[in-house]
Amino acid sequence: AQTVTQSQPEMSVQEAETVTLSCTYDTSESDYYLFWYKQPPSRQMILVIRQEAYKQQNATENRFSVNFQKAAKSFSLKISDSQLGDAAMYFCAYRRARGGADGLTFGKGTHLIIQP
Amino acid sequence: KAGVTQTPRYLIKTRGQQVTLSCSPISGHRSVSWYQQTPGQGLQFLFEYFSETQRNKGNFPGRFSGRQFSNSRSEMNVSTLELGDSALYLCASSLGGDRGEKLFFGSGTQLSVL
Repeated sequence: AQTVTQSQPEMSVQEAETVTLSCTYDTSESDYYLFWYKQPPSRQMILVIRQEAYKQQNATENRFSVNFQKAAKSFSLKISDSQLGDAAMYFCAYRRARGGADGLTFGKGTHLIIQP
Repeated sequence: KAGVTQTPRYLIKTRGQQVTLSCSPISGHRSVSWYQQTPGQGLQFLFEYFSETQRNKGNFPGRFSGRQFSNSRSEMNVSTLELGDSALYLCASSLGGDRGEKLFFGSGTQLSVL
């Protein structure tokens, strides 16, 4: 079974600085998708960024970028120029590309605090 | 475009009762997925419906069931409630054509079982 591990329960960063959230996963699949979702106090999960495993190029979305290391099964999220609105729980998630009867497998999350 | 709507926002039930939660997806989305979120177990996949058929199912007991209507709206039902069913239940909708597509989540239903 797939597992997703986020080893940092909580991270704190000063506004305008850069922070990196870690995520590792375990799978025997070669084709899959990885995601970072953000959950603010409103509870509504919002997709931050998405990576397809067969693409070697790291995904980027404005201030958000990932460092995808397929061999190491690592998928970290870098947030540049941190803003107060970035404060939230961040969840790393995995889903295999084909087969199986599963949905997203989530990590336990990292609580990101932005210090003004 | 309206987002994913879940009703009710909060619910309090007692052990042994049953409960029905509702989810209205974004217009045009044919897939609806349900997730349970608890402090101890985190986020866990319950099931996914696509065009009124259950397409995927997580590892939950048969007390958890769902259905999807022809307008893509979905309901999930939990029978014989247990204290451990207390959780935030999140619904997500998507177009349904790709396992890697973006999911759009609602704000959830917070269920408390006393």
